[in-house]
Amino acid sequence: SAVISQKPSRDICQRGTSLTIQCQVDSQVTMMFWYRQQPGQSLTLIATANQGSEATYESGFVIDKFPISRPNLTFSTLTVSNMSPEDSSIYLCSVDPYNEQFFGPGTRLTVL
Amino acid sequence: SQKIEQNSEALNIQEGKTATLTCNYTNYSPAYLQWYRQDPGRGPVFLLLIRENEKEKRKERLKVTFDTTLKQSLFHITASQPADSATYLCALVRDYKLSFGAGTTVTVRA
Repeated sequence: SAVISQKPSRDICQRGTSLTIQCQVDSQVTMMFWYRQQPGQSLTLIATANQGSEATYESGFVIDKFPISRPNLTFSTLTVSNMSPEDSSIYLCSVDPYNEQFFGPGTRLTVL
Repeated sequence: SQKIEQNSEALNIQEGKTATLTCNYTNYSPAYLQWYRQDPGRGPVFLLLIRENEKEKRKERLKVTFDTTLKQSLFHITASQPADSATYLCALVRDYKLSFGAGTTVTVRA
């Protein structure tokens, strides 16, 4: 299995500001994934982060809004930039080392 | 565009009964399908994986079927317990990317 931690666990932010979410895995993994779960909805994939290359973004998500870093095989960050209330969501990172995805506990973001 | 639909209504069942959840999809050819459990305030937890060439998979009190002709998966919880109360998500997988259904909330009454 893989154990994933995220920081912060929750935050309340003002519109127009940015928040960086950290994701740490207890083992080396090739791919890390970032998801968003809006209130009452299911998970939507934002992007896939590979170490040593640019992240790959899904339709509807852009690098300027959600820049991602992947400096090594156990760590990644997702920044939510120029936030608006519509960005209020739970953000989760996950990894898939064994054909099953392991998810972090999520970061609950509220934008006022 | 691809669509993944799970039971639209929440499921309320009596302890000991079997819960059956449905996952239907269109415009998609998954390599495999997974089921997850999500409790409030937590990330999803992997339960079962079934590949496109498999018809059925079991794990303890859980059973999953996968019909690629009907484009449907059924998820069964047998001998349900109050601790099984949670939201259950199906996810279609291709190229390591997961596409999730909206989930079905199951409540098991003691």
